[in-house]
Amino acid sequence: GQNIDQPTEMTATEGAIVQINCTYQTSGFNGLFWYQQHAGEAPTFLSYNVLDGLEEKGRFSSFLSRSKGYSYLLLKELQMKDSASYLCAVRDPGNSGAGSYQLTFGKGTKLSVIP
Amino acid sequence: DAGVTQSPTHLIKTRGQHVTLRCSPISGHKSVSWYQQVLGQGPQFIFQYYEKEERGRGNFPDRFSARQFPNYSSELNVNALLLGDSALYLCASSLVPGGTYEQYFGPGTRLTVT
Repeated sequence: GQNIDQPTEMTATEGAIVQINCTYQTSGFNGLFWYQQHAGEAPTFLSYNVLDGLEEKGRFSSFLSRSKGYSYLLLKELQMKDSASYLCAVRDPGNSGAGSYQLTFGKGTKLSVIP
Repeated sequence: DAGVTQSPTHLIKTRGQHVTLRCSPISGHKSVSWYQQVLGQGPQFIFQYYEKEERGRGNFPDRFSARQFPNYSSELNVNALLLGDSALYLCASSLVPGGTYEQYFGPGTRLTVT
């Protein structure tokens, strides 16, 4: 199984930079995903890491260290619309044989951006 | 192109009843996964289907079942509803289960059991 930990809540100021950490313990690993979820809406894909290092996509960057079971999501130039929950999810091969890939999500980090 | 669609949007049921939730994946996507999201928690994996076959099952009781149709749409069935089944049920589709392909989520069905 998987155990994924991320902070419950964070607050940051508009225009600032915030880093949301995620640690995981896994029985299998096939990539780490970050999703953004606004209240009452579906999660939307932000980033995917399967190899160690940093992936940058506009104002969002995600880092992975497989040896440490650690990832972070970095949000730059924060905007009010970035107020949302950020979900860290690990994909593993699952328990049903070849071709089974399932996402295990953390509980999410609720980010509040204040003026 | 249309995204993942789910129906109904909202549903209220009584304990002991049965419910069927429906999902249509993005055109061309052959893999569908179902998740349960309780308020304040992350989504929890229920099932994954690929090419009409079950490929993964999460830690849910046998009251939960699902299937995928030849057009790749999917149904999630829950029997003998309990109050604890109240949640947002999310469907996600992807081209195939693995690789670099992310899952795209539908808007969800909010189920309330009274």
